[in-house]
Amino acid sequence: EDQVTQSPEALRLQEGESSSLNCSYTVSGLRGLFWYRQDPGKGPEFLFTLYSAGEEKEKERLKATLTKKEIFLHITAPKPEDSATYLCAVQGAQGGSEKLVFGKGTKLTVNP
Amino acid sequence: ETGVTQTPRHLVMGMTNKKSLKCEQHLGHNAMYWYKQSAKKPLELMFVYNFKEQTENNSVPSRFSPECPNSSHLFLHLHTLQPEDSALYLCASSQDGWTGGNTIYFGEGSWLTVV
Repeated sequence: EDQVTQSPEALRLQEGESSSLNCSYTVSGLRGLFWYRQDPGKGPEFLFTLYSAGEEKEKERLKATLTKKEIFLHITAPKPEDSATYLCAVQGAQGGSEKLVFGKGTKLTVNP
Repeated sequence: ETGVTQTPRHLVMGMTNKKSLKCEQHLGHNAMYWYKQSAKKPLELMFVYNFKEQTENNSVPSRFSPECPNSSHLFLHLHTLQPEDSALYLCASSQDGWTGGNTIYFGEGSWLTVV
């Protein structure tokens, strides 16, 4: 069974204090790993898809990196508007898109 | 604007009521999904439709009844719900539900409270 574990559950940073969120996974044949951002009371907003170990993608202050067992979301010099819950999801080889398995999320708070 | 629109955004219903949630996607996708999000729990897949055909029912109680009249519209009909069904219900879409690696795009969600 595909599984996703996110850590930490919650993270508080000062503005400008860089850090990383972690997502470890077990999957039977990786087809894709996804990062989403979710603001309170809203639906998840797509950030990145990574497909193979060693792959990296960047968007503004966010950088996602995929290894064989983990995916990291590094936040460089965060701002208060980066405060949100970040969700990781994995898709294994057993099915198509409908087989996405989500983690519980990391709630990030960036204080000014 | 994500291209996936859900209505209503908030719904309060009694346990004997019948109501429906509506979803429309403007992305030209062929797969649509219903997810449930409860506090402290991961997103739970409920139903999947590919090209209007239901391809996944994740052991959802019959008090939730989906309907997909075409690839752009998806409904979730609700009847005789329980208080524990109170949650955020998210509609989503993707290019299709089989290829693998397709990105799923979510709507803003419908907050449901059962009293």
